Amino acid sequence: DAGVTQSPTHLIKTRGQQVTLRCSPKSGHDTVSWYQQALGQGPQFIFQYYEEEERQRGNFPDRFSGHQFPNYSSELNVNALLLGDSALYLCASSSFPKETQYFGPGTRLLVL
Amino acid sequence: AQSVTQPDIHITVSEGASLELRCNYSYGATPYLFWYVQSPGQGLQLLLKYFSGDTLVQGIKGFEAEFKRSQSSFNLRKPSVHWSDAAEYFCAVGKYMEYGNKLVFGAGTILRVKS
Repeated sequence: DAGVTQSPTHLIKTRGQQVTLRCSPKSGHDTVSWYQQALGQGPQFIFQYYEEEERQRGNFPDRFSGHQFPNYSSELNVNALLLGDSALYLCASSSFPKETQYFGPGTRLLVL
Repeated sequence: AQSVTQPDIHITVSEGASLELRCNYSYGATPYLFWYVQSPGQGLQLLLKYFSGDTLVQGIKGFEAEFKRSQSSFNLRKPSVHWSDAAEYFCAVGKYMEYGNKLVFGAGTILRVKS
């Protein structure tokens, strides 16, 4: 049984570019949450998707957007990249509404 | 607003010694509490969780945690630490709402194990 998978594992971009990160949830899960973990900090909640809709959103600007597909997989898009967007981006999957979140290995984004 | 405090940024223990990592939370309702572990460059692995019931929770890898409502704490313990336990540990509180939920994490505690 595959766990949560994320792609790519690493990514290097320059300021002003756009990036798309991908996540496939654990089998049987229908909800995907995204978190940003800056170096030396705990993960910060970005948003959560269920039934292809954004259900909850953290304190992140509109440059951060997402999408969920009918197969429950999800994408995180970040526009107009800033140096401060460099971080580990973690995807977590769960079963709506109250199940435990299980995390993927993350995508490490470096913005130069 | 919910918050989680992990007072210790770094902890060093000797292999075979006991371990306690502290976690204090602030949350208005009954909390859902979690401990996750992160090895360098990796994602988060769930160690244990508390939703309700017995306040002493057993997890994987020999870890346990005790929920103390009066102290707003959820400390993680292990009786005998192994070198492979060296990692960063995160405490989190789950905010569950009608239309979704999220985890609020502490800043983490880095555990070093000396032989």
